[in-house]
Amino acid sequence: RKEVEQDPGPFNVPEGATVAFNCTYSNSASQSFFWYRQDCRKEPKLLMSVYSSGNEDGRFTAQLNRASQYISLLIRDSKLSDSATYLCVVKGGYNNNDMRFGAGTRLTVKP
Amino acid sequence: NAGVTQTPKFRVLKTGQSMTLLCAQDMNHEYMYWYRQDPGMGLRLIHYSVGEGTTAKGEVPDGYNVSRLKKQNFLLGLESAAPSQTSVYFCASSAGPGGNQPQHFGDGTRLSIL
Repeated sequence: RKEVEQDPGPFNVPEGATVAFNCTYSNSASQSFFWYRQDCRKEPKLLMSVYSSGNEDGRFTAQLNRASQYISLLIRDSKLSDSATYLCVVKGGYNNNDMRFGAGTRLTVKP
Repeated sequence: NAGVTQTPKFRVLKTGQSMTLLCAQDMNHEYMYWYRQDPGMGLRLIHYSVGEGTTAKGEVPDGYNVSRLKKQNFLLGLESAAPSQTSVYFCASSAGPGGNQPQHFGDGTRLSIL
């Protein structure tokens, strides 16, 4: 079983749609959580951290459920530029430097 | 503002050859990392360094060695390349290990082993 599991997609949505991605992690000792974005053949870039109380950054909302070991990312009013692969990242399960990446969920936003 | 720079960007090797990937960062970060990314697997940590002169094993260290002789550089070596090491390699750096210290990635090295 992978330590960080994501639905690989692809998710194909029209502009303006709301789309949600889910992620589950297996190591209950994990301490920090992030969503990264990776464009095709590019490097990953931090999208947002995920806080226990849930947090919002513009059109993006991230939620964490520690009891269920579950993280989510909601994108509202999708833009063409949101097309990318979204990586769920979990940190600190084994040591403070340990980051485990999900394989990513691919999103395509169409006109 | 270069950030994290990886060289080379592409390389094709024959099985058994050796090579070194170079990662350089200009952000004065203490922490540096080497990952590999394979289809359907996500990024996996190979080795990392928490400061000049220190290195540690990550999730998939076998077949690789690293060195951090200078704070700004982190080298990844393949002593005897194998086809299983065909992958995209990413270097990253961060200011510290803290929960919300983001990792800044280089733009990757595509390595093929024939």
